[in-house]
Amino acid sequence: AAGVIQSPRHLIKEKRETATLKCYPIPRHDTVYWYQQGPGQDPQFLISFYEKMQSDKGSIPDRFSAQQFSDYHSELNMSSLELGDSALYFCASSSGRNYEQYFGPGTRLTVT
Amino acid sequence: GQQLNQSPQSMFIQEGEDVSMNCTSSSIFNTWLWYKQDPGEGPVLLIALYKAGELTSNGRLTAQFGITRKDSFLNISASIPSDVGIYFCAGQQGGGADGLTFGKGTHLIIQP
Repeated sequence: AAGVIQSPRHLIKEKRETATLKCYPIPRHDTVYWYQQGPGQDPQFLISFYEKMQSDKGSIPDRFSAQQFSDYHSELNMSSLELGDSALYFCASSSGRNYEQYFGPGTRLTVT
Repeated sequence: GQQLNQSPQSMFIQEGEDVSMNCTSSSIFNTWLWYKQDPGEGPVLLIALYKAGELTSNGRLTAQFGITRKDSFLNISASIPSDVGIYFCAGQQGGGADGLTFGKGTHLIIQP
């Protein structure tokens, strides 16, 4: 079965640079979620979109923004990167009223 | 924000033993989900629970949604080496597009 696709899988950036992470949800899923997971930590919810509208907002820094496009893929834009932004970033998707969130393989961001 | 208290933090068991872990919260959750995560990979959904008192099985895994809606447990019977990993409980307080709150995880280590 098709899964959530994230790109790139690895990204190295320097401080103060910008980064864009992409997420392609499971086909026919209309909701995407973004999570950040630091080393040895649990995933922290950042933001979610349902039918291209922002739905819920968690601990997303003001330097980050995200959107969902007409084909349901989503992008997380990160600016003025800091060392502390180094983490695994996961996208998850779900379908309508089904609350089961399926996670992608993640993007490992390293800020140097 | 809301917190999920997951225990134990780690478990060292022998192959073939049964495993039990749980999550508790001071807040009510509408949905409980259990995930397994291998190092560097995305969380994989194991079981989803939607109703207070619900008991659901998935192969050797059994999970329950507590009557008070403030807790959940996961049991693994007859553990095998591939059960090694980090197990996370996750709760959702609102609707389908709301983010998940994760527990800190239970690190399962199996000795052959």
